[in-house]
Order: sequence, then structure tokens, then C-alpha cells
Amino acid sequence: SQTIHQWPATLVQPVGSPLSLECTVEGTSNPNLYWYRQAAGRGLQLLFYSVGIGQISSEVPQNLSASRPQDRQFILSSKKLLLSDSGFYLCAWTSGSPETQYFGPGTRLLVL
Amino acid sequence: AQSVTQLDSQVPVFEEAPVELRCNYSSSVSVYLFWYVQYPNQGLQLLLKYLSGSTLVKSINGFEAEFNKSQTSFHLRKPSVHISDTAEYFCAVGTGFQKLVFGTGTRLLVSP
Repeated sequence: SQTIHQWPATLVQPVGSPLSLECTVEGTSNPNLYWYRQAAGRGLQLLFYSVGIGQISSEVPQNLSASRPQDRQFILSSKKLLLSDSGFYLCAWTSGSPETQYFGPGTRLLVL
Repeated sequence: AQSVTQLDSQVPVFEEAPVELRCNYSSSVSVYLFWYVQYPNQGLQLLLKYLSGSTLVKSINGFEAEFNKSQTSFHLRKPSVHISDTAEYFCAVGTGFQKLVFGTGTRLLVSP
């Protein structure tokens, strides 16, 4: 069966520090991968998605970036965090069934 | 462009009472429709989905939703809720272009 992992689960970072969040999927190949951010009371905002290694589409201009170095690995990064980057970051994957996305457990990021 | 409206940000209800969470969407093309549930500090879990066929779809824990094309709605219902149904519920729409658009969520609060 397929599983999706995210780490770390929780992260507290100072403003201006770098960020690296990792997401990996097991049990499937060539998935579409997605990064979302969930801010308090604001639903889900799609940040990036990828349909293959090295292929990244950005949905919202910001100081975040994403990379997909391997088929089942998706990384969210920042060189300098802002206070507004605080939130709950969710990774998701889909493969096969039309657009049915499956989510990881999330990373809660607090920027101070 | 597609959009999803969840008019109720919060729905309080007593245990064993019926509940309806409303979802309306806007799209100029055929859609796939989803309901996801999020328990505190967790990722989203797929609750049910409409892809094609019967317009009434059901989950394993007693929820159901009906796709109404003329009213562009996909309301979620349960005839008798439990305390354990307390969570946030997200409606989402997909159109076959690899992405989902989510509503802002409805918080269901079940009290004894």
C-alpha cells in the first residue's frame, strides 16, 4: 500500500533562517506531488506541484521554492523565512484515479 | 477558473442530530468532486468522492453527498452525528488538469 511521509512534524525557526521540508511517498511510482500551506482560518493554498523529476510548477509567487530530486521525493525550501511563512504545510500525491489526492501528516512551522 | 464556496465556517450540532455541510462550486467544464476531513493537527483524509456515475456517494462512516449539476452543489450529510465526527471538512473540485481547488472549510462541532 502507498504511504506518504513528512518531516519534521513541528519546526520553530527564527525570521531570516533557511527552511527545508521533506516529503516522500512509498508504494507508487511517478506520482504527481503537491505542496500546500494551510494558514489559520484560510483553507488550503496550493504552493507547488510536480508531475515528474525536475518538473515544478509554482502557483503563488513568494520566497519559497520546491525541488523534486527523485521520483518520490519532494522538498520545500526557503533561503530566508518571513513571519508570514508560518502555517501548516501539507504534502500530497496522486496517481491513477482522477485527481484523488492523498495527504501526508503535515509539518507545523512557526516563524518567530 | 474553478471555485468552491463553503458558506458555513462553523456548524454546531448536538450528538445524534442530523447535519448538512454545504458546498457549491463554479466551473465551466465537467468536474470531479471531493470531501476531505481533517482532525486536529493531522493531514486531510479523503472522505468520499464523485467521479462519474451515480450522483449519490457514500462513505464508510455514514456520510453521504449528492452531486447536483443544476444547482452546482455537493452537500455533505449525515443522519446522526457522533462526538468523533468533530473535525474540519473541506470540499474540493477538480477538472482533469492535475489540480484541486479547495473551499475554506467548515468546522463541525458535535456536543453531547
